[in-house]
Amino acid sequence: AQKVTQAQTEISVVEKEDVTLDCVYETRDTTYYLFWYKQPPSGELVFLIRRNSFDEQNEISGRYSWNFQKSTSSFNFTITASQVVDSAVYFCALRDTGANSKLTFGKGITLSVRP
Amino acid sequence: ETGVTQTPRHLVMGMTNKKSLKCEQHLGHNAMYWYKQSAKKPLELMFVYNFKEQTENNSVPSRFSPECPNSSHLFLHLHTLQPEDSALYLCASSHNGLAGGPDEQFFGPGTRLTVL
Repeated sequence: AQKVTQAQTEISVVEKEDVTLDCVYETRDTTYYLFWYKQPPSGELVFLIRRNSFDEQNEISGRYSWNFQKSTSSFNFTITASQVVDSAVYFCALRDTGANSKLTFGKGITLSVRP
Repeated sequence: ETGVTQTPRHLVMGMTNKKSLKCEQHLGHNAMYWYKQSAKKPLELMFVYNFKEQTENNSVPSRFSPECPNSSHLFLHLHTLQPEDSALYLCASSHNGLAGGPDEQFFGPGTRLTVL
């Protein structure tokens, strides 16, 4: 069975601080996909990134970076120089490649960035 | 319109009412999904449709009845709901929801449902 754990529930930082959101996953599959989504107050989940299990290269996109470590089953997300607009709930998700695979979400981390 | 749209955005209904939620995707995707998001809980997958066929029903009570007339439209018909059904109902679509693909899902803004 798949499982995604986001142990942090709420994080509050001051603008311009760096912040890392943790994600730990469990799966029996050797091939799987990991995702991060952002849910601003408007409610819509916004897709941020997909990473497949064969690609352990870290990725950077502007102020966002992701650290995928297969050895520790973690896929952490760092926001550098946070901004108020980064305030949202962030979800990590996992999808394996089984016949009836579905997207399994963590409980989400509420990030508040104060001016 | 682009992306995934949902109507209405907010809905208040009594336990004896019948209402429907509508989702439309403009992305050319073949799979559509209904999720329920309750406070302090992970997103719960409710239903999956691939090429208009239901491929997943995640033990959802029969008071929720989905309908997918085509790959672009998805409905959730509601009747005799309970107060604990109050939640944000999110619709999503993806290119192909069948096995094997990376298949990121794109979400609508949700319908905030309150059952009195």
